[in-house]
Amino acid sequence: AAGVIQSPRHLIKEKRETATLKCYPIPRHDTVYWYQQGPGQDPQFLISFYEKMQSDKGSIPDRFSAQQFSDYHSELNMSSLELGDSALYFCASSSQTSGSNKQYFGPGTRLTVT
Amino acid sequence: DAKTTQPPSMDCAEGRAANLPCNHSTISGNEYVYWYRQIHSQGPQYIIHGLKNNETNEMASLIITEDRKSSTLILPHATLRDTAVYYCIVRVDNNAGNMLTFGGGTRLMVKP
Repeated sequence: AAGVIQSPRHLIKEKRETATLKCYPIPRHDTVYWYQQGPGQDPQFLISFYEKMQSDKGSIPDRFSAQQFSDYHSELNMSSLELGDSALYFCASSSQTSGSNKQYFGPGTRLTVT
Repeated sequence: DAKTTQPPSMDCAEGRAANLPCNHSTISGNEYVYWYRQIHSQGPQYIIHGLKNNETNEMASLIITEDRKSSTLILPHATLRDTAVYYCIVRVDNNAGNMLTFGGGTRLMVKP
């Protein structure tokens, strides 16, 4: 079965640079979520989109923005990168019509800021 | 969302049942109990969820107490590949984003 695809899998950037992470949800899933997991920490919710509209917002810095496109893929844009942004970034998708909160996670993008 | 409490770590012998407890004494009537796990540096993986009845699927069983204040995730025959952090999450199922709040979790170590 198709899973959530994230690209790139690894990314190295320098401080003050920008980065764009991409997420391709499971086909027919209408909701996308972004989570950030710092070293030794639990995943923290950043933002979610349902049918291309922002549906919930967590602890996402103002330097970050995200959107969901007409094909339901999503991109997380990160500007003015800081060393503390080094983390694993997970995307998850779900189907609201399924009636449950079952989220399917991608393999993550490991971002290293030097 | 209701707060959950889990032991920080547990060991289990390979082939034996792993019983992971979760306390959610402030759970509301419309909140579900979800279990996810995260194998080292991989994306979290859904395991099972339930409202008030016990549930079983190909991965695990979920036992919810009658007062719904606690639950136990059971992995019937733990393997080395079940070594992971297990998260118990209580959530209302609705259409408003449905974000997951990961906190604490139990680090299960399955030993040969």
